[in-house]
Amino acid sequence: AQSVTQPDIHITVSEGASLELRCNYSYGATPYLFWYVQSPGQGLQLLLKYFSGDTLVQGIKGFEAEFKRSQSSFNLRKPSVHWSDAAEYFCAVGLYNNAGNMLTFGGGTRLMVKP
Amino acid sequence: DSGVTQTPKHLITATGQRVTLRCSPRSGDLSVYWYQQSLDQGLQFLIQYYNGEERAKGNILERFSAQQFPDLHSELNLSSLELGDSALYFCASSVSGGGATDTQYFGPGTRLTVL
Repeated sequence: AQSVTQPDIHITVSEGASLELRCNYSYGATPYLFWYVQSPGQGLQLLLKYFSGDTLVQGIKGFEAEFKRSQSSFNLRKPSVHWSDAAEYFCAVGLYNNAGNMLTFGGGTRLMVKP
Repeated sequence: DSGVTQTPKHLITATGQRVTLRCSPRSGDLSVYWYQQSLDQGLQFLIQYYNGEERAKGNILERFSAQQFPDLHSELNLSSLELGDSALYFCASSVSGGGATDTQYFGPGTRLTVL
């Protein structure tokens, strides 16, 4: 069965600093990978997704992620964090087959931004 | 705004009761998914419906059931409620029933509190 691990439960960065959120997955086939963000009291917003092709994926709000098959990782990065980026971030792997779809989520990383 | 709507936003009820959560997918989307987000279990896939039929099943309790109607909206029914059912319930929708490019878009969630 597929699984996703986000090793960091909490991360605090200063505004303007760079950010990297870690995500490791376990999946037997080519993974379909996603990053979602959940702001306080809000739903999940899709930041970016990887299906195939270029391993560096650009998303919304200046985020990018890099798929590294050899490390089973899909880390999320941003060069300069803004206070509005404070939220919880979820990495997910998608299982697609003829039976349907399901997303398996990691435990989330809560990002705090210091002024 | 993802285009997925969920009602109600908040629901407070007592143990042993039954509640119904409602979801309207984005215009044109045929699949609806239900997820549960709780402090101890994290984000877990419950069930998927595609064009009115059950497509995939996850960790959904027997006390829970769902359906998708001809107008494609979906309802999640939770019965014999227990304290542990308190959680945020998300609905998501996607264009088709599966496939690599079928991205799920999430609604704002319904927060259920069981007292």
